[in-house]
Amino acid sequence: GNSVTQMEGPVTLSEEAFLTINCTYTATGYPSLFWYVQYPGEGLQLLLKATKADDKGSNKGFEATYRKETTSFHLEKGSVQVSDSAVYFCALSTNTGNQFYFGTGTSLTVIP
Amino acid sequence: EAQVTQNPRYLITVTGKKLTVTCSQNMNHEYMSWYRQDPGLGLRQIYYSMNVEVTDKGDVPEGYKVSRKEKRNFPLILESPSPNQTSLYFCASSPYGSGANVLTFGAGSRLTVL
Repeated sequence: GNSVTQMEGPVTLSEEAFLTINCTYTATGYPSLFWYVQYPGEGLQLLLKATKADDKGSNKGFEATYRKETTSFHLEKGSVQVSDSAVYFCALSTNTGNQFYFGTGTSLTVIP
Repeated sequence: EAQVTQNPRYLITVTGKKLTVTCSQNMNHEYMSWYRQDPGLGLRQIYYSMNVEVTDKGDVPEGYKVSRKEKRNFPLILESPSPNQTSLYFCASSPYGSGANVLTFGAGSRLTVL
């Protein structure tokens, strides 16, 4: 079946630190991979996506590369800001089904 | 503004009292879905709809009903709510189901069942 496993949180970093949030997946077929972000009190919104192997998604200084050989889509940012404090969800969808699958979410707090 | 609107945003109710959470989108999206978010479990899909009059179960459909009579609306119905349905609920839509399509989420509805 299809599933997403992501790093347990919460994660607390100092401003300007390097961020990595690990995400691995299991999927039938060829999935598209996503990172969504949820700011406090809001719904999820797309951060970035990648639709095929070796694609790199990027947005707002965040990056993630679709690694088919390791079935991973780790999220990285070189220098986090306080405004990046949020919950981050890794997700996938496939072309053969009609569902989206989400990880459990990783809460990030950035302190000044 | 393109958006998904859910109501109510907050609701406290009692066991067994039927309730409906409404969801409406203004983007002419074919696909709509409902999720619940619980600590440590992330988002789990309840129901989804590929188009008008086409609905299907997600991973946790027990205790919920949905309908899709119009393209823009996808209400979530709890016929007889129980305390284990206390959760944060999200409605989402996308142009088409799955693949590379991006979900647009509503702001969430926090439901407490006493």
